[in-house]
Amino acid sequence: DGGITQSPKYLFRKEGQNVTLSCEQNLNHDAMYWYRQDPGQGLRLIYYSQIVNDFQKGDIAEGYSVSREKKESFPLTVTSAQKNPTAFYLCASSIGQGGIGQFFGPGTRLTVL
Amino acid sequence: KQEVTQIPAALSVPEGENLVLNCSFTDSAIYNLQWFRQDPGKGLTSLLLIQSSQREQTSGRLNASLDKSSGRSTLYIAASQPGDSATYLCAVGENNNDMRFGAGTRLTVKP
Repeated sequence: DGGITQSPKYLFRKEGQNVTLSCEQNLNHDAMYWYRQDPGQGLRLIYYSQIVNDFQKGDIAEGYSVSREKKESFPLTVTSAQKNPTAFYLCASSIGQGGIGQFFGPGTRLTVL
Repeated sequence: KQEVTQIPAALSVPEGENLVLNCSFTDSAIYNLQWFRQDPGKGLTSLLLIQSSQREQTSGRLNASLDKSSGRSTLYIAASQPGDSATYLCAVGENNNDMRFGAGTRLTVKP
């Protein structure tokens, strides 16, 4: 089955610690995205990558970092510089060309203790 | 900057009712518009995608329309069921890759 997986589903972190969220897709999509969702708000774009070894900042990139070493993987690191990291994080992918829209993973809920 | 608004924020209807969810956007120069469903604590499931050249798309009991000139889209759900209860999000594609999301409409269908 083709799809997007995110792990872990729930993640707890102490203040001051960095943490990495995993996102893997086997859809052979070129583009991948990270969004943050807070209660009552729409999704906000953190980072996106249109091709391997390339990525761009989204609207709220401060305190986050990413890498795109493989087409199928786009991990997100939430650093200690992120002031309010508790949120629901969603990873998505798209074919990049053709406008078929984005496909989403199940999400990771990060809680900072 | 594109802004996407969904009204109402929450909606409760009795089972069997037909209903309409609204989505408005400020910049009509869009690439496509996508409607998603999100269950609590879950990811987004794509329901319908309308290209900028299209006026509507249908899938089963769902019908989505697009009016770029007025900056509006509607999602029509026929004969609603309790299983339709979820949050519905619309997202506007400004190019091949960038999408702007509304805050969603939380729908409850009561048996």
